[in-house]
Order: sequence, then structure tokens, then C-alpha cells
Amino acid sequence: EDKVVQSPLSLVVHEGDTVTLNCSYEVTNFRSLLWYKQEKKAPTFLFMLTSSGIEKKSGRLSSILDKKELFSILNITATQTGDSAIYLCAVVEGYGQNFVFGPGTRLSVLP
Amino acid sequence: DVKVTQSSRYLVKRTGEKVFLECVQDMDHENMFWYRQDPGLGLRLIYFSYDVKMKEKGDIPEGYSVSREKKERFSLILESASTNQTSMYLCASSLTWGETQYFGPGTRLLVL
Repeated sequence: EDKVVQSPLSLVVHEGDTVTLNCSYEVTNFRSLLWYKQEKKAPTFLFMLTSSGIEKKSGRLSSILDKKELFSILNITATQTGDSAIYLCAVVEGYGQNFVFGPGTRLSVLP
Repeated sequence: DVKVTQSSRYLVKRTGEKVFLECVQDMDHENMFWYRQDPGLGLRLIYFSYDVKMKEKGDIPEGYSVSREKKERFSLILESASTNQTSMYLCASSLTWGETQYFGPGTRLLVL
């Protein structure tokens, strides 16, 4: 059965800390991996990763994929209280491009 | 384990047809959501519901309507399908606001 596992499930840090969120997966016919930030309503798209070893960056956020070891990490440097959210990892698999979502990591950044 | 199921994985419809997409969750969640996912655009919220018979427009409600007659079921309706509604449709549910959203596997809709 296809699955996506995220760790930790919950994390509390202080402003200025650096955090690393993990996402590992077991799917047949991997196509891409996506990271989202979920606050109040709709998750907002952060990154899409399809190739191993190529880091994607957006400000203080960065992410990389390892297709051999079947995982991805999302790094956030110099965290701010506005980074507090649930971070979702999703893998797109199969010819039909089905989505398999992980359970999310709840990040709380304290002032 | 929370389970969110969607009635179809793949659908092919013709322009002008009425299309029903159904979503069912088994965890007594209050909130349910319909999104569409298009390449390069991420998830876009179409409609959401926070209780039976209650609904709110999301960011792109035009051309869609929804129905929530029972807590566990949230339906997305395309009154008259158009080719620009070809997309991946994802349903999600959450216990309350601010809690993790659990997603279904998606329905890939092709409108010819």
C-alpha cells in the first residue's frame, strides 16, 4: 500500500531556530513530491520536487529530494512566528497521478 | 485512521454535461473542502463546508456548486462542464479549523 510518513508530527521551536522536517514515502511509480504549508484554510504550495539532489529554495525555506533513499526534507532557517503551521508532504504517483498525502508536521514557533 | 474516499479516480465527460464528484469521510469531521490541483498552480480552494448544509465559497467557485446533506459526504457539482475544468480534484476533511486536513486520493477529470 502506498504511504507517506512525516516526522516529527509536532515540533515546538523558538524564533531564530532552524528546523528540518522529514518526509519519507513508499509508492509505486513515483512522479513528484510536493510540500504545502497549511494555516487556516487552504494549504499553500511551497515546492514541487521531481529530481534527486537538486535543492529548491524560496527565501528561508529550502527542500531537497533523495529518490534513492525515498525521502525529502524541508528546511526552514531563522524561523519566525509566521512559520507556525502544519506542513504537508504529498507524493504524486502512478500514471493517473494519484495523490498520497502524509499526516503533516505541526510546527509551532514561539517568540 | 482517517479515511477520505472519492467516488471516482478517473472521469471523462463531454462539454455541457453535469458532473458529480462525491467525497466521503469516516471520522465525523466538521470541515470538508474541495480543491483543484493544476500544474504550476498548486491547490486552489473551490468550496468548503463547516457543517451540514453550510457552505462557503473558496477562491475559485465559478462554475461549481456543492452539497452537504450529511456530515460525512460533500459533493462537488459541475453544472455544465467545460474544458477548462479538466483538472485533478481533491477532497479533504478536518476535525475543526486549524487541524490537519486529510486528503482523498483525487479524481482526475477530463472534459472533452
